[in-house]
Amino acid sequence: EAGVAQSPRYKIIEKRQSVAFWCNPISGHATLYWYQQILGQGPKLLIQFQNNGVVDDSQLPKDRFSAERLKGVDSTLKIQPAKLEDSAVYLCASRYAGDEQYFGPGTRLTVT
Amino acid sequence: DQQVKQNSPSLSVQEGRISILNCDYTNSMFDYFLWYKKYPAEGPTFLISISSIKDKNEDGRFTVFLNKSAKHLSLHIVPSQPGDSAVYFCAAWNRDDKIIFGKGTRLHILP
Repeated sequence: EAGVAQSPRYKIIEKRQSVAFWCNPISGHATLYWYQQILGQGPKLLIQFQNNGVVDDSQLPKDRFSAERLKGVDSTLKIQPAKLEDSAVYLCASRYAGDEQYFGPGTRLTVT
Repeated sequence: DQQVKQNSPSLSVQEGRISILNCDYTNSMFDYFLWYKKYPAEGPTFLISISSIKDKNEDGRFTVFLNKSAKHLSLHIVPSQPGDSAVYFCAAWNRDDKIIFGKGTRLHILP
């Protein structure tokens, strides 16, 4: 079984630029999560999808972050414009029916 | 407000000995607890979990203990192996809400 795929693995941008991340969850996993992990902290949930609907986006900075999951499979997370404090690893995870979430390798974003 | 706390940023243990990683939580509504292991440049991988109706769950070298009255759980790894060197995240979940992660504990297994 293929795992959660994310791209790119690394991205360096200047502040005020835009960036987009892509996630392909495990096949058949209806629930998809985007997390932000700042160095030295645990992952923080940004948004949760159930199929293509948003379940929880209470911690998503909606003035600059957006996410979509068209057709309930792949998902993209966008930041526009980026700030220095957005430097972090962005993790995508998916879940089927159990309690375990399966994480992708993450995208490391550096904003200069 | 940090609902899941891992107060030890790092821990060093001799190979072959027992590693004990601790986690405290504040929300009594959490009903499921998980441990994740993370290697550098990789996403967290699920290790072991425990439901709030249990006080112990064992899987090979890994055992998780839950003390609900103290709002405390611990992960025991015995015997510790070099491949266990990683960051370990404690996570807690109320199934009607989002999963909350601790800040992690970096475990170093010494030869």
